[in-house]
Amino acid sequence: EVQLVQSGPEVKKPGESLKISCKGSGYNFDTYWIGWVRQMPGKGLEWMGVIFPGDSDARYSPSFQGQVIISVDKSISVVYLQWSSLKASDTARYYCARRSRWGYLGYWGQGTLVTVSS
Amino acid sequence: DVQMTQSPSSLSASVGDSVTITCQASQDISTYLNWYQQKPGKAPQILIYDASNLETGVPSRFSGSGSGTHFTLTISNLQPEDIATYSCQQYDNLPSWTFGQGTKVEIK
Repeated sequence: EVQLVQSGPEVKKPGESLKISCKGSGYNFDTYWIGWVRQMPGKGLEWMGVIFPGDSDARYSPSFQGQVIISVDKSISVVYLQWSSLKASDTARYYCARRSRWGYLGYWGQGTLVTVSS
Repeated sequence: DVQMTQSPSSLSASVGDSVTITCQASQDISTYLNWYQQKPGKAPQILIYDASNLETGVPSRFSGSGSGTHFTLTISNLQPEDIATYSCQQYDNLPSWTFGQGTKVEIK
């Protein structure tokens, strides 16, 4: 069974760094793109970027380029999303999702709630 | 970047009604368009891929159509369990995939 399991909720202060994770299981982790999607409170879905675990090829939506870093540790089947300096506007739920061969996001993690507040 | 304009932002309909949600792309994306359903407190789930292909296990009252810049999602015979937010997503050009703003569907 394909599963994406994300790390737990985080409460951080502005300016702090953060790295959240998404662990894949039940499939060949190296061969499927995994992306990150932001959902701010009460708002719609926003595409952030994607990584191919096989060669660590990471690509970003222009809106998020330079704001976050997507990385992978394929030895443990985990994809990461990290910030170096959080802002209050980063408060959101973040989902990881696996891209299928046909281009859609067929499997999703449960989401990680990140709260940034002083 | 391709922009997706989804409408309406919300709608209210009765059980048994047919409802239609529209997504307009800012440029030709062929049929590189997916539809997702997100129930409150849950992760999104794929409904329709490649504009008109029903994902396995999705009820046949859901259907998608369109190509180029204009796409629709239709829910026939609306059911109480269809209360959710529906979002389109274009995937014409990795990594600049984009979502529509979402349509919240409620029951009258």
